[in-house]
Amino acid sequence: AQSVTQPDIHITVSEGASLELRCNYSYGATPYLFWYVQSPGQGLQLLLKYFSGDTLVQGIKGFEAEFKRSQSSFNLRKPSVHWSDAAEYFCAVAPLDSGAGSYQLTFGKGTKLSVIP
Amino acid sequence: SQTIHQWPATLVQPVGSPLSLECTVEGTSNPNLYWYRQAAGRGLQLLFYSVGIGQISSEVPQNLSASRPQDRQFILSSKKLLLSDSGFYLCAWSLNSAPYEQYFGPGTRLTVT
Repeated sequence: AQSVTQPDIHITVSEGASLELRCNYSYGATPYLFWYVQSPGQGLQLLLKYFSGDTLVQGIKGFEAEFKRSQSSFNLRKPSVHWSDAAEYFCAVAPLDSGAGSYQLTFGKGTKLSVIP
Repeated sequence: SQTIHQWPATLVQPVGSPLSLECTVEGTSNPNLYWYRQAAGRGLQLLFYSVGIGQISSEVPQNLSASRPQDRQFILSSKKLLLSDSGFYLCAWSLNSAPYEQYFGPGTRLTVT
């Protein structure tokens, strides 16, 4: 079964500092990969996705993520964090072979980001 | 553009009472629809998904049921709530052609007392 690990439960960074949130997945083949962001009490917003092609993916709000097949990782990065980026971030994977019949995304448990002014 | 609505936003219900949560999508036709539950510290769990009117698939056996009476309406129900049903319920939609690219609604916070 596929799984997603976000090793950091909580990260605190200063405003203006760079950010990297880690995501590792376990799956037999290259899956679809996603990053979502969730503000307190809100739904999830899709930041970016990777299906194939260029391993560096650009998303909304200045975020990017890099797929590294050799490390089974899909880390999220931002060069300069803004106070409004404080939220919880979720990595998710889905099987590339859509014939699996279920459309379930497998989510990590999330990383909470705090931003110090 | 597409919009997804959920209501109510918050709900407090006693154990044993019924439940009905509603989700509607605007701006698209024949979407796939999903119900997820988010429990604190446990990530998101897919409960049900639907690829069309009247077509419901359950991922986890439980006290809940889902229905899709109209193309863009998805309802989550229970006849008798349990304490363990408390959580944050999220509805999501996707295109049939891209089922894994899912877009989420604002959620409903359910507290069972």
